[in-house]
Amino acid sequence: AQSVTQLDSHVSVSEGTPVLLRCNYSSSYSPSLFWYVQHPNKGLQLLLKYTSAATLVKGINGFEAEFKKSETSFHLTKPSAHMSDAAEYFCARTGANNLFFGTGTRLTVIP
Amino acid sequence: NAGVTQTPKFQVLKTGQSMTLQCAQDMNHEYMSWYRQDPGMGLRLIHYSVGAGITDQGEVPNGYNVSRSTTEDFPLRLLSAAPSQTSVYFCASSRGRGLYQETQYFGPGTRLLVL
Repeated sequence: AQSVTQLDSHVSVSEGTPVLLRCNYSSSYSPSLFWYVQHPNKGLQLLLKYTSAATLVKGINGFEAEFKKSETSFHLTKPSAHMSDAAEYFCARTGANNLFFGTGTRLTVIP
Repeated sequence: NAGVTQTPKFQVLKTGQSMTLQCAQDMNHEYMSWYRQDPGMGLRLIHYSVGAGITDQGEVPNGYNVSRSTTEDFPLRLLSAAPSQTSVYFCASSRGRGLYQETQYFGPGTRLLVL
């Protein structure tokens, strides 16, 4: 069973418009959830993580994500896209001893 | 701190050759892992270690070996390279032995091409 599903493989937005990247997870317990960003030819960098302290999580560079247990979702948002946000974004959840990653969403920002 | 470092950055191998991908971290992290990244498949765990002398298999371990003789180093060995192992390999580390709530720190990656 797919542990993490990123619903869009590619999202394109205009600069200054909102960003929504969707992630659904499956788990028999409340996992830790993460969003990582990968810029071209770079490693992954943590954007934010959900650790059960608060359902709305704020991350770096103006990104936020909301944990919705009833919908098993952890969507990533940003009010206003910047050109530097163009990258690939990965949602991940913890397993027993590893992270399960989604297949990624490539964000394109149009000037 | 240098963080997580990986060498080489890029490597070309012929089928059947062996090689070792190096990974080191200077953060005194207990947990280290290797992932491979393939287009449309995200990252998949190859092997991981929760401390020196302790390793275990991940989701896609076949064709790879690891060892963890020190806290700092976690090399990945390809025993007999195959074209299916063409991929980008990432090493990652985190502070604790478990992953719950822990941030993973990733290296810059090694791009491997097997001909």
